[in-house]
Amino acid sequence: KNEVEQSPQNLTAQEGEFITINCSYSVGISALHWLQQHPGGGIVSLFMLSSGKKKHGRLIATINIQEKHSSLHITASHPRDSAVYICAVQSNAGGTSYGKLTFGQGTILTVHP
Amino acid sequence: GAVVSQHPSWVICKSGTSVKIECRSLDFQATTMFWYRQFPKQSLMLMATSNEGSKATYEQGVEKDKFLINHASLTLSTLTVTSAHPEDSSFYICSARVLTQETQYFGPGTRLLVL
Repeated sequence: KNEVEQSPQNLTAQEGEFITINCSYSVGISALHWLQQHPGGGIVSLFMLSSGKKKHGRLIATINIQEKHSSLHITASHPRDSAVYICAVQSNAGGTSYGKLTFGQGTILTVHP
Repeated sequence: GAVVSQHPSWVICKSGTSVKIECRSLDFQATTMFWYRQFPKQSLMLMATSNEGSKATYEQGVEKDKFLINHASLTLSTLTVTSAHPEDSSFYICSARVLTQETQYFGPGTRLLVL
């Protein structure tokens, strides 16, 4: 079993729909990252969470440390939101593992006009 | 915001040659840089962690003599793929972190194709 599991793997939506991507993890973490990767490959960091909830524009990220679960929500989705969304957990181990990220497999989101 | 650049953005080389990829933090000093590799339709995998002025720490299964990492300054880390083979063809991404921050800033990636 992977340390970081995302669902769904593929998601298709119509423009305007509310979208949720889920991430579950099984290891101790110091933080959780949500990343966006566009077809060209470049990665943008959307959020870094260690507790609670963060909002940026139409994006909302939540984390429940006790349940080891995080969600990324996109409100009023738009075709330009089409990308791969990746959940990554940051190790809370010390030494050489400090800051090390373990990635989920990614969720491919396609938003149709 | 913090910007990380990579050079080159893509490279095609012949099997057996060496390829150097640069990762630069443009407007901040990065005490730690990470190198990742991503094969098609797969997620990113950490290759190594590089701290300025010290030897890189490689993940299990990554050959340190094949993937040479140098982090000589607080703004530059280099990854050299030595004696490249077609199976080394991949997307290589670096990220940089400031000592006092948890956030990692990602570079745009370098696509390597070994013929």
